[in-house]
Amino acid sequence: EVQLVQSGAEVKKPGESLKISCKGSGYSFINYWIGWVRQMPGKGLEWMGIIYPADSDTRYNPSFQGQVTISADKSISTAYLQWSALRASDTAIYYCARQTTVETPPKYWGQGTLVTVSS
Amino acid sequence: EIVLTQSPGTLSLSPGERATLSCRASQSVTSNYFAWYQQKPGQAPRLLIYGASSRATGIPDRFSASGSGTDFTLTISRLEPEDFAVYYCQQYGSSPQTFGQGTKVEIK
Repeated sequence: EVQLVQSGAEVKKPGESLKISCKGSGYSFINYWIGWVRQMPGKGLEWMGIIYPADSDTRYNPSFQGQVTISADKSISTAYLQWSALRASDTAIYYCARQTTVETPPKYWGQGTLVTVSS
Repeated sequence: EIVLTQSPGTLSLSPGERATLSCRASQSVTSNYFAWYQQKPGQAPRLLIYGASSRATGIPDRFSASGSGTDFTLTISRLEPEDFAVYYCQQYGSSPQTFGQGTKVEIK
């Protein structure tokens, strides 16, 4: 069974750094893209970017380029989303999702990680 | 980027009724790389439709979709209680992938 299990909820202060994770199981992790999607409170879905764990080929939505870093450690089947300096506006639920190729829709999703940034 | 505009924002219907949701793209969607998702409160989105009209594995046949170019439609033939949720359209043929703002299907 394909599963994407994300790390737990985080509460951080503005300016702090953060790295959240998404561990894949039940399939060959390196052969599928992992994307990240943001959902701000009460709002819709925003595609942030995507990574191919086999070679770390990474593509960003220009709206998120420079704001976050997407990475992966194929040795432990885990993808990451990180911030160097959080802002209150980063408060959201972040989902990881598996895509067969860059041009296929995400079918398998993680459970989401709630990130709250507040002073 | 391609902007997707969904209508209506909210659809108030009764169980058993037919729901028709629309999504319009600001430019033509590449190769009908178009999807629909359902999201319930506290849950991750669930893929319903891909390729504009193909149902994902395990999706009941009361869900159907059509469209091409810039205009797409999701139809739920007879609403079941579990279908009341928010529905999002998505295009994944042009980078960045983009989503519509959502249509809430609520119980009337």
